[in-house]
Amino acid sequence: GAVVSQHPSRVICKSGTSVKIECRSLDFQATTMFWYRQFPKQSLMLMATSNEGSKATYEQGVEKDKFLINHASLTLSTLTVTSAHPEDSSFYICSAGPGLGGGLTQYFGPGTRLLVL
Amino acid sequence: GNSVTQMEGPVTLSEEAFLTINCTYTATGYPSLFWYVQYPGEGLQLLLKATKADDKGSNKGFEATYRKETTSFHLEKGSVQVSDSAVYFCALSEQNSGYALNFGKGTSLLVTP
Repeated sequence: GAVVSQHPSRVICKSGTSVKIECRSLDFQATTMFWYRQFPKQSLMLMATSNEGSKATYEQGVEKDKFLINHASLTLSTLTVTSAHPEDSSFYICSAGPGLGGGLTQYFGPGTRLLVL
Repeated sequence: GNSVTQMEGPVTLSEEAFLTINCTYTATGYPSLFWYVQYPGEGLQLLLKATKADDKGSNKGFEATYRKETTSFHLEKGSVQVSDSAVYFCALSEQNSGYALNFGKGTSLLVTP
């Protein structure tokens, strides 16, 4: 089946530093990748949609200058949290789609837990 | 705008009990509907989906039917197992929103032996 990986799985950083999270589709080409954020015991909230080779589309309330998204190839998207602060601590999840055989299904990465001290 | 409402948990059932997790939605167009499952310590996995009215999605003994008249996509399983303990998310996506998923808040299920 379609596999999406994320790296790192967990990161702890100091306030004011930047953190890059990678999302890779391992066995299929993902024309679209999505980035979500999940707070403890809550649902996933869409942050942005990125299409390969074009600028990401951010959801209302998500600062594009703070959460930089790059989708340079059909298998890789990166999310950079710039000048991270404790309130950015969260679980960041990417998904890629369409998957094998096309269609609407998104395949999710295992998530990256970010803790900003 | 689009939204998904699902019953709040946690839901605790004994093994072999019948499971229903309610999900209703609002959408501007003709969405596709999904159930995702998140096992402890793991990422989200697609459980089942339905892309048009009256479609039934099924997988691993779970079923859900796309009911346009009641805007619902309730998840059911006739006999749950301990291994079904997880958080279940109902979600929808539409072409006019770039197929991004709009999730419900999730329902935690605990199945006891």
